[in-house]
Amino acid sequence: DAGVIQSPRHEVTEMGQEVTLRCKPISGHDYLFWYRQTMMRGLELLIYFNNNVPIDDSGMPEDRFSAKMPNASFSTLKIQPSEPRDSAVYFCASSPELGTGNYEQYFGPGTRLTVT
Amino acid sequence: GEDVEQSLFLSVREGDSSVINCTYTDSSSTYLYWYKQEPGAGLQLLTYIFSNMDMKQDQRLTVLLNKKDKHLSLRIADTQTGDSAIYFCAEIDPLDTGRRALTFGSGTRLQVQP
Repeated sequence: DAGVIQSPRHEVTEMGQEVTLRCKPISGHDYLFWYRQTMMRGLELLIYFNNNVPIDDSGMPEDRFSAKMPNASFSTLKIQPSEPRDSAVYFCASSPELGTGNYEQYFGPGTRLTVT
Repeated sequence: GEDVEQSLFLSVREGDSSVINCTYTDSSSTYLYWYKQEPGAGLQLLTYIFSNMDMKQDQRLTVLLNKKDKHLSLRIADTQTGDSAIYFCAEIDPLDTGRRALTFGSGTRLQVQP
């Protein structure tokens, strides 16, 4: 398996522009997570899905952020309009419903977003 | 709520053992994980331990869990320069909270000197 795939790997955009980050989870995994990593706040959960349904979006900063999972193999995280404080590395992770008995999550390589 | 804490930095010489420590507040934490992050890369799952275990060994890695003190440690034997990275401790308690998201510590940067 190729692992969790994210695109783009790097994104530089101007304030006010729309940004869309993409994720393909590991095939067969039922859970998909979006995390954000910054120097100030570390790694924090934004939202997660189970079987394509959003379960917990309490970490989504504000209405400018939205996430969708139209099918089991694709998810998007959209920021509109983007602001400089959104600059961070955004990780997607996936997890099987029943793994080895624990709840391991497998991470993608991340998208480094810079908003100028 | 959950809180996971780690020291920020550790420096060791190549060939020595490294011990990275983590404390957590949620006494019902069920699963505890160690992830490794190299520069510019995602998080790689290294190992995990269940809360009903005291120790787990996996090749050069040994995880120790002290439930009384809510302390978790990761020992890396014969540390190599390739082990230089940031190491994250994380916990999850889905059986109690129903929540599947990980709570991460701030990460410990391990620097291995040749």
